[in-house]
Amino acid sequence: KNQVEQSPQSLIILEGKNCTLQCNYTVSPFSNLRWYKQDTGRGPVSLTIMTFSENTKSNGRYTATLDADTKQSSLHITASQLSDSASYICVVSAETGGYNKLIFGAGTRLAVHP
Amino acid sequence: DSGVTQTPKHLITATGQRVTLRCSPRSGDLSVYWYQQSLDQGLQFLIQYYNGEERAKGNILERFSAQQFPDLHSELNLSSLELGDSALYFCASSVGIWGAVKGDTQYFGPGTRLTVL
Repeated sequence: KNQVEQSPQSLIILEGKNCTLQCNYTVSPFSNLRWYKQDTGRGPVSLTIMTFSENTKSNGRYTATLDADTKQSSLHITASQLSDSASYICVVSAETGGYNKLIFGAGTRLAVHP
Repeated sequence: DSGVTQTPKHLITATGQRVTLRCSPRSGDLSVYWYQQSLDQGLQFLIQYYNGEERAKGNILERFSAQQFPDLHSELNLSSLELGDSALYFCASSVGIWGAVKGDTQYFGPGTRLTVL
């Protein structure tokens, strides 16, 4: 069964600290993996996308890693800011029977406190 | 601003009713996706259209239907509404036929908040 599991479910950190969010997936055949940031009540915004051959991708203070062998990804946030408070969603794409299949994780809710 | 527009922003209706949500993709994007997000839940993929044709189907109920018109805007029709249909409904668009699978970026609209009383 195709699944994407994210941990932790929620996280509270102090402004300026770093944090790492985890994403484990059992999706086949794997096509790519994305991280999205979703502010409360708003649509998600893409942060990074990685295909099978890529193992790291950065977008400013966000760095995503992918280990296709262990089927794990992480999103590292450096020097957190109050505006980083949001849900972070891991999405894995599979291609089956000629159709796309997008499997969403439940997200990690990050709160950055001053 | 992602360039994807959705109307209405809020919708309140009663059980058993039917509503239509509308989405206009970014200029140049041919794929449109619909998602449902219930309170404190993750995004659930409903359906994707590319240039007027259905390309992928997710957990879309039979009471729900969608279409993409020649001008590429899309509508999501929800009928025989139930309390559990209350949610945020997001539309996203992307350039390519394969959408997110082949790597092009999805841009999400601001969502329509549906409340069924």
